[in-house]
Amino acid sequence: GQQLNQSPQSMFIQEGEDVSMNCTSSSIFNTWLWYKQDPGEGPVLLIALYKAGELTSNGRLTAQFGITRKDSFLNISASIPSDVGIYFCAGLGAGGTSYGKLTFGQGTILTVHP
Amino acid sequence: GAVVSQHPSWVICKSGTSVKIECRSLDFQATTMFWYRQFPKQSLMLMATSNEGSKATYEQGVEKDKFLINHASLTLSTLTVTSAHPEDSSFYICSAFSDRFSQYFGPGTRLLVL
Repeated sequence: GQQLNQSPQSMFIQEGEDVSMNCTSSSIFNTWLWYKQDPGEGPVLLIALYKAGELTSNGRLTAQFGITRKDSFLNISASIPSDVGIYFCAGLGAGGTSYGKLTFGQGTILTVHP
Repeated sequence: GAVVSQHPSWVICKSGTSVKIECRSLDFQATTMFWYRQFPKQSLMLMATSNEGSKATYEQGVEKDKFLINHASLTLSTLTVTSAHPEDSSFYICSAFSDRFSQYFGPGTRLLVL
């Protein structure tokens, strides 16, 4: 099925560094969501974006919804070891048979070295 | 955020047996829940949409007779893997709509079929 193009696939950074990852899509989504998944756990919602151009922060996390509604980025500032995990972007289908369905990116594996 | 629970968190069964997984929204009502499957180091793949009071809708390639879904109430959806085989071993995750179209995920159920 359709997937969002998420990059990078993996990142190895030092504690304290900033991180940036992004997603692009050939389709428009009305809502973009960013999740973090720890091993053996379900994804946890980090940030939800509802308006094109919207910039939203959640602590050290900042995400923006692209103007064209086909892309989004997530920034993590001053990374800490507990930021380790897999980050997924997801686009939310708005109507018809796609209502409520999430299309996921491939994920970004983040490793933070102390 | 909204809380979604799953039970059991892990299950080991013999080939040919059936396994039921429960998904509950604990602090909100969900007319729609979703079931996903995730293989190691891969993204989440949507299996089916569970609708309260009506039949589930399945994604292409997902056998409805193999993966039975029952959405018995506004807070409970169940997924039954019938006649399980080793290739059904995977991480099964449910999600539910909360307000403002954000989806919250359960902690997942790891199934191992011997």
